[in-house]
Amino acid sequence: AQSVTQLDSHVSVSEGTPVLLRCNYSSSYSPSLFWYVQHPNKGLQLLLKYTSAATLVKGINGFEAEFKKSETSFHLTKPSAHMSDAAEYFCVVSEATDSWGKLQFGAGTQVVVTP
Amino acid sequence: SAVISQKPSRDICQRGTSLTIQCQVDSQVTMMFWYRQQPGQSLTLIATANQGSEATYESGFVIDKFPISRPNLTFSTLTVSNMSPEDSSIYLCSFREVQGRNEQFFGPGTRLTVL
Repeated sequence: AQSVTQLDSHVSVSEGTPVLLRCNYSSSYSPSLFWYVQHPNKGLQLLLKYTSAATLVKGINGFEAEFKKSETSFHLTKPSAHMSDAAEYFCVVSEATDSWGKLQFGAGTQVVVTP
Repeated sequence: SAVISQKPSRDICQRGTSLTIQCQVDSQVTMMFWYRQQPGQSLTLIATANQGSEATYESGFVIDKFPISRPNLTFSTLTVSNMSPEDSSIYLCSFREVQGRNEQFFGPGTRLTVL
């Protein structure tokens, strides 16, 4: 069975400061991990994904995430927040044995960026 | 990557009625998925739709309430039957690109309000 826990439901940062969104996962098999972003009234967009290649994954818009198996974590970071980063972020896990690609979503983290 | 669209984008419906949501992909895909996102919540998988066979429903979702059709490799529908206010949600379809980048793509969603 797989699950994912996003440790913060809300994160507030000032523009230009670093962003850290925390995610821990549980998986019986080698997982694939994803971060998706959802802007208000818009669809889901894939930020980045980990699929057993490099543990440090770079995504779009300056985001990156590091897969740490020993800590079962996949935290999302960005060195400098922009106002356009205000959105809901979802950490997602899919087990490698799940050929159907079923995704398990975390509860989401709402990011607020203040000027 | 393929483009995925949904119709309607939003609707307001009366209690006891049914609404059918359409999902169209511009290329052939094997597996399609339907998700629900209740207000302020994360995404929950309703069912997996495979062309030519019955949909597979997740725990808590039943065919009588959420009948799904998958007549071909580019199209699927989800019906929300005998609606109640608790069905007010965003409904999203998605598919997994197994070849190429092995990503899952989401439609823009259908925002349903039940009065």
